[in-house]
Amino acid sequence: QVQLQESGPGLVKPSETLSLTCTVSGGSISSYYWSWIRQPPGKRPEWIGYIYYSGSTNYNPSLKSRVTISLDTSKNQFSLKLNSVTAADTAVYYCARTRTPYSSLGYWGQGTLVTVSS
Amino acid sequence: EIVLTQSPGTLSLSPGERATLSCRASQSVSSSYLAWYRHKPGQAPRLLIYGASSRATGIPDRFSGSGSGTDFTLTISRLEPEDFAVYYCHQYGGSPQTFGQGTKVEI
Repeated sequence: QVQLQESGPGLVKPSETLSLTCTVSGGSISSYYWSWIRQPPGKRPEWIGYIYYSGSTNYNPSLKSRVTISLDTSKNQFSLKLNSVTAADTAVYYCARTRTPYSSLGYWGQGTLVTVSS
Repeated sequence: EIVLTQSPGTLSLSPGERATLSCRASQSVSSSYLAWYRHKPGQAPRLLIYGASSRATGIPDRFSGSGSGTDFTLTISRLEPEDFAVYYCHQYGGSPQTFGQGTKVEI
């Protein structure tokens, strides 16, 4: 059974970089598409982007200028970096897996709350 | 981008009752690339339906999805205690992918 687990700081200061890692267990990160989604308090989920195991990426245009998703196949992990954060970036961040760019999100992590505050 | 609007916002029902949840898209969802998820607090969201009407692996047949174009429906034929949660629709045919605002099914 594939499991995903997000990890990283729960508090980030404004203007700094939010960094999260998703560790994949029960399966290889090679093949499949690996996504990040976030959900601000009281709002709908927002798709951030995905990375394919080959390294190709696709980002939400609303975040594209600030986002980088990368992966480390040796550790079976992929990561999210979001720079120049503001309070509007406060959210629960989820990692997830899809089979193709046009697939539903079959496996999700439990999510991790990141608060942007000084 | 495609905006998904779910209704109702909250559905108050009892175990054993039928739940009907709606998801309406601002433009046609290509190839019915529409999914439904159940989300309980503190847990990972769980995929229920993909391709508008296909049940995901291990999902019981009390869950069914229907619809195409701009109107989609998730039906839970008989609510079990574990079904009281928030449900989200998600379109993954257009870029960016987008989600509905959720329907809470409560006792």
